[in-house]
Amino acid sequence: EAGVAQSPRYKIIEKRQSVAFWCNPISGHATLYWYQQILGQGPKLLIQFQNNGVVDDSQLPKDRFSAERLKGVDSTLKIQPAKLEDSAVYLCASSLLIAETGELFFGEGSRLTVL
Amino acid sequence: QKEVEQNSGPLSVPEGAIASLNCTYSDRGSQSFFWYRQYSGKSPELIMFIYSNGDKEDGRFTAQLNKASQYVSLLIRDSQPSDSATYLCAVSNQGGKLIFGQGTELSVKP
Repeated sequence: EAGVAQSPRYKIIEKRQSVAFWCNPISGHATLYWYQQILGQGPKLLIQFQNNGVVDDSQLPKDRFSAERLKGVDSTLKIQPAKLEDSAVYLCASSLLIAETGELFFGEGSRLTVL
Repeated sequence: QKEVEQNSGPLSVPEGAIASLNCTYSDRGSQSFFWYRQYSGKSPELIMFIYSNGDKEDGRFTAQLNKASQYVSLLIRDSQPSDSATYLCAVSNQGGKLIFGQGTELSVKP
């Protein structure tokens, strides 16, 4: 079974530039999450989708971050304009039944460095 | 107050010892509790989940939950150097929102 795919793996940009990350979840997984993990910290939930609807985006800095999940499959996370504090690993995860087993399957992450 | 709190460590134990990792959470409505392991530079992977008060054992791992005290722990018996990683406690509510703690770094010395 193919895992969660993310791209790009690494991205270096200057502050005020824009960047986009892409995620393809495991086939059949209705729930998709984007987490931000700053070095030395735990993952912080940015947004949760159920199919193509948003379940929770309370922690998403909406003035600069946006995310969409077209047709309930692939998702993109965009940052515009980027700030230095956005340097982090952006983790995409998907799951079948989060309320029952809690097993999120994570992609390898996209590491962003903002200079 | 953070929603999920863990001691950041590092926690260092000798090989073969028991490692004890602790976590507290603030939302009394939390329903499901999880432990994830994250190796350096890698993504988190699920080790165990627990829903009911008491203990749950899986091989060398035991998860303990006390909802009255809002406390969950993970015990690793016969610790191995390969267990050296960051352990993330995560808590889920009815909506399936999974909140992680900051993680505890464990180092098992040969």
